[in-house]
Amino acid sequence: DAKTTQPPSMDCAEGRAANLPCNHSTISGNEYVYWYRQIHSQGPQYIIHGLKNNETNEMASLIITEDRKSSTLILPHATLRDTAVYYCIVRVMSNTGKLIFGQGTTLQVKP
Amino acid sequence: DGGITQSPKYLFRKEGQNVTLSCEQNLNHDAMYWYRQDPGQGLRLIYYSQIVNDFQKGDIAEGYSVSREKKESFPLTVTSAQKNPTAFYLCASIGTGMWSTEAFFGQGTRLTVV
Repeated sequence: DAKTTQPPSMDCAEGRAANLPCNHSTISGNEYVYWYRQIHSQGPQYIIHGLKNNETNEMASLIITEDRKSSTLILPHATLRDTAVYYCIVRVMSNTGKLIFGQGTTLQVKP
Repeated sequence: DGGITQSPKYLFRKEGQNVTLSCEQNLNHDAMYWYRQDPGQGLRLIYYSQIVNDFQKGDIAEGYSVSREKKESFPLTVTSAQKNPTAFYLCASIGTGMWSTEAFFGQGTRLTVV
């Protein structure tokens, strides 16, 4: 049921930018792209979301392609504490129906 | 502070026993969710509820039951019919309306069958 596909794992050097891709080729016009991350044995944490414009907050930037079929989460200066599983999901903002998570990407930040 | 609370953090159960996991939120959210997570795996949806006194099965509902008698509470019962209940269980909630953006998660309950 997951509407997104992500690489299973990625590595990043500490201090460098981490770019995490997500494909959502069947996204509907009213569906937003959301990113969460889960640090080991904790509940997932919200990072950022967007519809079609690029978004930035204190944690990350979200770049959505013009056709909205893919997006990239950017952690500008990765630290060891950013090591986590990152989930990309799509949903209608006001819809509280099924909320489906895929397998996510395990990001390993290395010293 | 508003939030979502799961209890207990760790739970041990003997085979053949039912056990109930608690999930409480004071965020005034309408929708609540239960997920199961196995080691090295993503989150799989067990049940969800969009409104009080109503709930729907997720992808892996067999062997589980829920109730939603109050907006704040969405307890999950793991029954003896669940063949492999040892897992990490996560509860989440989302508000409704245009300004309800992200899902809030509890810190999880780790259930072990002994």
